[in-house]
Amino acid sequence: GAVVSQHPSWVICKSGTSVKIECRSLDFQATTMFWYRQFPKQSLMLMATSNEGSKATYEQGVEKDKFLINHASLTLSTLTVTSAHPEDSSFYICSASDRAGPDTQYFGPGTRLTVL
Amino acid sequence: KNQVEQSPQSLIILEGKNCTLQCNYTVSPFSNLRWYKQDTGRGPVSLTIMTFSENTKSNGRYTATLDADTKQSSLHITASQLSDSASYICVVSPNTGFQKLVFGTGTRLLVSP
Repeated sequence: GAVVSQHPSWVICKSGTSVKIECRSLDFQATTMFWYRQFPKQSLMLMATSNEGSKATYEQGVEKDKFLINHASLTLSTLTVTSAHPEDSSFYICSASDRAGPDTQYFGPGTRLTVL
Repeated sequence: KNQVEQSPQSLIILEGKNCTLQCNYTVSPFSNLRWYKQDTGRGPVSLTIMTFSENTKSNGRYTATLDADTKQSSLHITASQLSDSASYICVVSPNTGFQKLVFGTGTRLLVSP
């Protein structure tokens, strides 16, 4: 149980384009979803927290207009990287919790984004 | 400031040998401490979870220990296998429901044949 999937698993795009990454909880309802970014040889950095049906809460330094998060249902959250640039190339990981708050999170397999 | 520090940063061991990874944290009070295994290019997978009142938790060849007094945890891997090569991340959850998880920087383990 508690499986989280992400799609796509990897994506390559041109600079200036937008990319959407999906995160789904397959066998539970995700009250809260989290988006992380991970650079090589570094740990996960929380970008934003979203609760179903409400606006996402972004961490300091994360541009909300650049990283659009939508949590429209209890099983799906999307992260859209708008006007992507090479410095946005990273490994993006989502996680989901079946309760409010970050205490119990189930992580997705990650999405590798490369911006050319 | 809540911090989680792990050591060593990286480690190479021979297949079949045991190893111990360390985690020191300053998060207080905390709800639970987890060890995750992260294969390259994959998301973290939970190995063990311990509340502040637990001393040890096992999951197959993985055994985690916790000393809440010294704020230290360790992950012991027994009879290592090549598939154990991965990053191991210590994560502490503060004891206030909406505070974000505190991640360690991880230990990169390479098991050599």
